Formats: sequence, C-alpha cells, structure tokens
Amino acid sequence: DTGVSQNPRHKITKRGQNVTFRCDPISEHNRLYWYRQTLGQGPEFLTYFQNEAQLEKSRLLSDRFSAERPKGSFSTLEIQRTEQGDSAMYLCASNSEPYFGPGTRLTVL
Amino acid sequence: AQRVTQPEKLLSVFKGAPVELKCNYSYSGSPELFWYVQYSRQRLQLLLRHISRESIKGFTADLNKGETSFHLKKPFAQEEDSAMYYCALRFQGAQKLVFGQGTRLTINP
Repeated sequence: DTGVSQNPRHKITKRGQNVTFRCDPISEHNRLYWYRQTLGQGPEFLTYFQNEAQLEKSRLLSDRFSAERPKGSFSTLEIQRTEQGDSAMYLCASNSEPYFGPGTRLTVL
Repeated sequence: AQRVTQPEKLLSVFKGAPVELKCNYSYSGSPELFWYVQYSRQRLQLLLRHISRESIKGFTADLNKGETSFHLKKPFAQEEDSAMYYCALRFQGAQKLVFGQGTRLTINP
C-alpha cells in the first residue's frame, strides 16, 4: 500500500495517560495535515506542516497536543494527560488535494 | 466565519433514481470546493474538486457562486453509491479544509 499510513489504528487509554500517534505520508508529498473527527461530524483541522515546518495550528490544538515532523517525512501527534473529550478519530493527510490515511481511533476511558 | 453546511444528514433514494446531495457554504472570496466520499470501513477519498470539472463515477458538481452552493448530482443512482459524503471548502490562501457534517446516502434496491 503506497498511500498514507497511520499507526496504531486503535488506541484505548485511561484518562490522564499520554498517547502518541504516527503518520507516514505518501513519500513525495511535502504537505502534511492532522484532522480530528468526532461521531456525527466532519473532520476538523488541527495542524499543517510543510516539510518539517509547522505552519498552522488550530485553536483546537490545546497545549496538551503537540505535533512534530522532524525530518519532513513522518509525523507524530502526541496528546498529554488525555481527557475523555479527546476520544475521536485522528486523521492524517498529505499533499494539497489531500489524500487521507485510515485514521487512529482513540478511546479515553 | 467560513462554514460548510450539508443540510441533510441522511438521504435515501432508490436505485436508478437521480441523486442530489446539497452543500452550501459561507465565504465571500473565491473558494476551492471538494467532495469526499467514505465507503463503509474505508478511508476518506477525494471524489471530485470543482476546479477539475470532472465527472467521477457519474457524479458532477457545479459551483454556483450566486447561491454559494456546490451540490453533488448523479442522474441514476447505483447501490455501490451508498456511502458517507462530505463537502469541503478551502478558502483563498489557506491550506486547511473546512468540512461539512456529512450526508449518509443510502441507495435502496
């Protein structure tokens, strides 16, 4: 599969724990996006990278959230001190079209 | 604020009947508009974008700036069209997409 990949596909954690998700974009794509999708809603933008530079962050990205793309290839999204309200599908996408990955479903108990 | 509205959460039509999924947006500039589709257990896929003016899987969408709409149409629905459909907007100079809440389309045999 040469598309956008995300790991893990599912994550169940307890409130207060930290979690980290990984996204591997399509190899020649220099733009990478993170979105969050809750039940019954469309995806909501979280943040955008061009190569390794994080160029835009949504107000949704509280200080408990941090995203990195250290070498301009894969990206990680970390959530610290998770809350039940963080439960959602976290989507990664690459390129300006963009192409979406399968998502990581986070459940915070 | 830029907003995308899909007024129908659910839409059910019979096979062979015409389909129209509505999308309205609020933005005063020149938007870029997209339709994404999500089939059961699959990732979000780009269906079409207004600038390409293509017909994909028999679907078309015309940007109507006067009515600020970008409705998705297909003259004869097929059972395999059953899916979740999202309209999305990218405003001038931005990278992020703003999504509507989605419409679940069901094609009855």
